[in-house]
Amino acid sequence: TQLLEQSPQFLSIQEGENLTVYCNSSSVFSSLQWYRQEPGEGPVLLVTVVTGGEVKKLKRLTFQFGDARKDSSLHITAAQPGDTGLYLCAGDEYSSASKIIFGSGTRLSIRP
Amino acid sequence: DAGVTQSPTHLIKTRGQQVTLRCSPKSGHDTVSWYQQALGQGPQFIFQYYEEEERQRGNFPDRFSGHQFPNYSSELNVNALLLGDSALYLCASSGETQYFGPGTRLLVL
Repeated sequence: TQLLEQSPQFLSIQEGENLTVYCNSSSVFSSLQWYRQEPGEGPVLLVTVVTGGEVKKLKRLTFQFGDARKDSSLHITAAQPGDTGLYLCAGDEYSSASKIIFGSGTRLSIRP
Repeated sequence: DAGVTQSPTHLIKTRGQQVTLRCSPKSGHDTVSWYQQALGQGPQFIFQYYEEEERQRGNFPDRFSGHQFPNYSSELNVNALLLGDSALYLCASSGETQYFGPGTRLLVL
């Protein structure tokens, strides 16, 4: 079973600061997704990265897929209280279609 | 478009009972996956249904079973409930992109 490890598990920072969340695995994924989940709701897809080295930007969020497609990072610039939530990375197993493996998540809290 | 819907939203059962959770996929989606999310954890893949057949399965015992209907809606059944089955159960439907429902929170006492 492929595992995705996320770090840090918890992060509490002041509004306006920058932060980076990491998602690492020893295995290769055909694609990797980042989700944000708020209490009482299902995860909402933020981005999918497919190509090694790919960088995608979503307003103040920057996502990068590692060259070897084993790891990814999410960088948030000038964090705002609305960014608070559980950030999950999830990878598509390379060997089989449509079986998505989730990391345990990073719980982010932005203090006003 | 209503997106992915799940019912019920909350459920309380006792050990040994059986439960059925329901999911309606997003319009146009024919694939439904079920996940279990324990408190403080990421979702864990239970199984996936496509064309009314179980296509993939995660590391869950046979107490967890499912079904997909011709209209692509799906059910998750859990027999002989254990305290450890308490979790948020998420359904996701996919076409090119996977969309999650709000989940059913199951509490086993």
